[in-house]
Amino acid sequence: GAGVSQTPSNKVTEKGKYVELRCDPISGHTALYWYRQSLGQGPEFLIYFQGTGAADDSGLPNDRFFAVRPEGSVSTLKIQRTERGDSAVYLCASSLGPSGGPYNEQFFGPGTRLTVL
Amino acid sequence: RKEVEQDPGPFNVPEGATVAFNCTYSNSASQSFFWYRQDCRKEPKLLMSVYSSGNEDGRFTAQLNRASQYISLLIRDSKLSDSATYLCVVNGRTDKLIFGTGTRLQVFP
Repeated sequence: GAGVSQTPSNKVTEKGKYVELRCDPISGHTALYWYRQSLGQGPEFLIYFQGTGAADDSGLPNDRFFAVRPEGSVSTLKIQRTERGDSAVYLCASSLGPSGGPYNEQFFGPGTRLTVL
Repeated sequence: RKEVEQDPGPFNVPEGATVAFNCTYSNSASQSFFWYRQDCRKEPKLLMSVYSSGNEDGRFTAQLNRASQYISLLIRDSKLSDSATYLCVVNGRTDKLIFGTGTRLQVFP
């Protein structure tokens, strides 16, 4: 079946611009996560949705970052007034959620590579 | 101090070698542990979960030592296709994953 998909695969923008990154999770997965991976680092957690609600947004670096999941499926990560330091690969993952048990595998999408010039 | 610490490597080993990666984690409340594999410019993929009793999957063996907060991965009979970055991962509150920086493995002929 289809895995997690993310669009666009690459996004180049200028400092100060607004960007939206989209994630389509695996069908039936109630949990959705956003991570950010900088060069030479492991992914860092940004935000977690269980259904439509943000259950944990403790990883969002500041109020320029916002994410929504209005119908409990597709999610959009929004970044306002982009800065050069926002350049990274933004990864989305989905899982079965609480019903998946303690070893609940998260399946990752291919990521969106964001470059802020 | 990072929540999950790994030696970034790289580890350069010949085909057929046995190689071991270690990682430590700081939060004693962590409940679930994983090794993920990440190929260059690709997304991370689950290699194996790590259970308290230790577990093996073919050439791969994972161990967990809760007392020392230490996780290991052993790869036997390395193949060229094992070349990748291996990410040590623990779960945090709300099941978010906390990743180490990853250890690069390069297997050469």
